[in-house]
Amino acid sequence: NAGVTQTPKFQVLKTGQSMTLQCAQDMNHEYMSWYRQDPGMGLRLIHYSVGAGITDQGEVPNGYNVSRSTTEDFPLRLLSAAPSQTSVYFCASSKAGGAFFGQGTRLTVV
Amino acid sequence: GENVEQHPSTLSVQEGDSAVIKCTYSDSASNYFPWYKQELGKRPQLIIDIRSNVGEKKDQRIAVTLNKTAKHFSLHITETQPEDSAVYFCAASKLPYGGSQGNLIFGKGTKLSVKP
Repeated sequence: NAGVTQTPKFQVLKTGQSMTLQCAQDMNHEYMSWYRQDPGMGLRLIHYSVGAGITDQGEVPNGYNVSRSTTEDFPLRLLSAAPSQTSVYFCASSKAGGAFFGQGTRLTVV
Repeated sequence: GENVEQHPSTLSVQEGDSAVIKCTYSDSASNYFPWYKQELGKRPQLIIDIRSNVGEKKDQRIAVTLNKTAKHFSLHITETQPEDSAVYFCAASKLPYGGSQGNLIFGKGTKLSVKP
């Protein structure tokens, strides 16, 4: 039972490049979400999904897309990376109550 | 939308002392309040949570209290140890009937340092 798995762990992008952060969970949780963590800002919700085929925006959705074709996977796409997207990204899943987080992706945009 | 304020931003205590972290929330409909601990370079991990039908919950050295009228909740750590040193986050959410997770809105975190 792996829980929530995120890849990659580290990534460096050039401004304007696109990439996809992968997230998979094996707990059959309906709810999945993406957060970004910046120093002094806590965790801010980017996008979330309440089940396969359903996604919605969180607090800071601009510049990111998501899709949820299966219960297990919830990838986050950066369309055209900007330095302001340098951050640590966490994927989380939950069923009822507290969220379980992936190990995080440290993204640097230069 | 919901807004969660967390204080203090940093807290330093001597080993064996108690530590208290306080959070306030703005949306009176919020009904679920978890606390997370994040060690340096690691993922946030749930340590305790409380629902709005309960005023206090305890788990060994940690406890959480909730005051719905004042819209604030607190984390209490007793007999602190160096391994308690970490960043602690509070969060608030609205769990719909049936229990599916609602969006978690986080406070900005408290860096707790426990000095030996």
